[in-house]
Amino acid sequence: GENVEQHPSTLSVQEGDSAVIKCTYSDSASNYFPWYKQELGKRPQLIIDIRSNVGEKKDQRIAVTLNKTAKHFSLHITETQPEDSAVYFCAASIGGLTGGGNKLTFGTGTQLKVEL
Amino acid sequence: GAVVSQHPSRVICKSGTSVKIECRSLDFQATTMFWYRQFPKQSLMLMATSNEGSKATYEQGVEKDKFLINHASLTLSTLTVTSAHPEDSSFYICSARDLAGVRGEQFFGPGTRLTVL
Repeated sequence: GENVEQHPSTLSVQEGDSAVIKCTYSDSASNYFPWYKQELGKRPQLIIDIRSNVGEKKDQRIAVTLNKTAKHFSLHITETQPEDSAVYFCAASIGGLTGGGNKLTFGTGTQLKVEL
Repeated sequence: GAVVSQHPSRVICKSGTSVKIECRSLDFQATTMFWYRQFPKQSLMLMATSNEGSKATYEQGVEKDKFLINHASLTLSTLTVTSAHPEDSSFYICSARDLAGVRGEQFFGPGTRLTVL
C-alpha cells in the first residue's frame, strides 16, 4: 500500500519568514495530494491540493509543488503569521471516481510554530 | 464547502460498553465515507472505508467485529465501538466524499473524542 513520509516533525519560524514542509510517497499511481491544517482538537481543514497533472499550485501565501518523477511534494507558506501555527498533514490518494476508492494516506504531521 | 457532522462530539463510557458514533453529510450525498482514528500527537490512521449499501472495507489490523460500520443511506454512516476498553480511547474522525466530485476531495467531520474508563 501507499506510504507517505513527512519532514520535519516540528518547525519553528519567525513571523514573516517562510516555512517549507516536505513529503514523499511510494505509490506511483497516487494522483491527488491534499494538505491539511489541524488545530488542537479540531477537524483537519483542507488548505490546498494538487493533482498529478500539475507541477505547482499557489493560493495567496500558500503554494504546493509536486515532482512526480521523484515522488515528492512540498508545502510552502510565505510571510508566516502566528495564526499559521498548527499541525500540518500531507496526504496522498488515487483520486477520481475509479481506482483506489480515494483512500487518503496521511503523513506523520508537522507541528509548525510561528514565533513573534 | 460541503458540511459533515458527527455525533456525539465527546463521550465517556465504562469499559465493556458499546459506543455508537454517527457521521452525516448534511448538504451532499456520499456513497463513500471513511473512518479514521487519531491518537494524541499522531497522524490520522484510516480504519475502514464505508460504502453505502454494502459491507465496509477494513484496513489491515482493524478488527471488523469490534468496530462495526453501517452505511445505511447516502448521508449517514455509523461506527460502533463494541466492548470498548481504555486502549480504544482516541479521537475518531469521519470523512465523506461528494458523490458528484471527481477531485477526490474529502470533507471531514468535527471528530468524536472517546474516553473509556
